[in-house]
Amino acid sequence: QKEVEQNSGPLSVPEGAIASLNCTYSDRGSQSFFWYRQYSGKSPELIMFIYSNGDKEDGRFTAQLNKASQYVSLLIRDSQPSDSATYLCAVTRRGANSKLTFGKGITLSVRP
Amino acid sequence: EPEVTQTPSHQVTQMGQEVILRCVPISNHLYFYWYRQILGQKVEFLVSFYNNEISEKSEIFDDQFSVERPDGSNFTLKIRSTKLEDSAMYFCASSEGYGDRGRDEAFFGQGTRLTVV
Repeated sequence: QKEVEQNSGPLSVPEGAIASLNCTYSDRGSQSFFWYRQYSGKSPELIMFIYSNGDKEDGRFTAQLNKASQYVSLLIRDSQPSDSATYLCAVTRRGANSKLTFGKGITLSVRP
Repeated sequence: EPEVTQTPSHQVTQMGQEVILRCVPISNHLYFYWYRQILGQKVEFLVSFYNNEISEKSEIFDDQFSVERPDGSNFTLKIRSTKLEDSAMYFCASSEGYGDRGRDEAFFGQGTRLTVV
């Protein structure tokens, strides 16, 4: 069973702090890694994707990938109350039509 | 900005009835997907569709489920005889899929909440 594991959470940080969200995956064939944000009752919204080892930055978000450790993380700098949501880690095997395998998600709460 | 649209947003049906959930993927995308999320649980893959045929399906996607692209824009999920346990949010998604590697990023519609009573 190919699994994607995320810390159970919830994670609470004060406004302006860095939120660090972690994810591990078991399938060594995984090639593409995604972070989705999901507000309660809403659909997943893609916020970051990463394909290569290392860091990828986009605004306040940084995705980090370490394929040797089978680990992917998301850092949110200068956290805002509007960042409060559930963050879903998802992976696919190589291939444009690969299914996404999701983790359970971690709920982030940013305290004003 | 292009988006995936789904209708209806909420569907209530009696157990044993057939339901059809509709989706309009992003227009230049080639790959289409259905996922579901039971309340409080993770998002689960159901099926992917490319070039007018199913390319992959999960164990959940049994004979009660079918997908169709009836015209150039719509993508539908049919559940033939609904069960109580089919109650969930159903998400349609699409991705570009061009080139040798293809672009994997999948964009989700707003979902259809299916309630089976």
